[in-house]
Amino acid sequence: GESVGLHLPTLSVQEGDNSIINCAYSNSASDYFIWYKQESGKGPQFIIDIRSNMDKRQGQRVTVLLNKTVKHLSLQIAATQPGDSAVYFCAEIDGDSSYKLIFGSGTRLLVRP
Amino acid sequence: NAGVMQNPRHLVRRRGQEARLRCSPMKGHSHVYWYRQLPEEGLKFMVYLQKENIIDESGMPKERFSAEFPKEGPSILRIQQVVRGDSAAYFCASSPDGAGLDFGPGTRLLVL
Repeated sequence: GESVGLHLPTLSVQEGDNSIINCAYSNSASDYFIWYKQESGKGPQFIIDIRSNMDKRQGQRVTVLLNKTVKHLSLQIAATQPGDSAVYFCAEIDGDSSYKLIFGSGTRLLVRP
Repeated sequence: NAGVMQNPRHLVRRRGQEARLRCSPMKGHSHVYWYRQLPEEGLKFMVYLQKENIIDESGMPKERFSAEFPKEGPSILRIQQVVRGDSAAYFCASSPDGAGLDFGPGTRLLVL
């Protein structure tokens, strides 16, 4: 099946810096993407989503960018805080269903004080 | 408003035993999904249920695994005759309309 993957397994940033987490997807028919944050011992927590008719969407301290030409998704976190330390997953909706999420393998974000 | 609840949070079983995982969706949510997560990996879809119906079980192994979401009570994911490869975190998610999933805290199954 189609897959979603990430470039970097671990990202270490200084507190206060901006973080960028990248994700590549392979299904050009995907039209909905979500970023999740997973803290240790917890379930995934929704951060932000974007539909394929947009190339940028902003939330509180987070921005998601979508480049459909190269099938690339990124999550930008501004002024990274210790509480942002977690594993971040991108996910896409399976093109054959309207509900099945396909998750990438995750990027661990470590925030240095 | 309580979120998605799962119990137990941790479950230890010996090979050959049965594991029964429970999920109570958020109030008003009639769509339930089960996902499995192996260490250091992303979540993998297992099954999608609505009340009393299995909508899609394409991600669930054909043998030993079953799921239900009865009219009353929680959704149950049942694994019979567990093997070590079943050790994983199992997450339940719910939604009111088939979109916008809310995930539970997961059940971590360890098979000895």
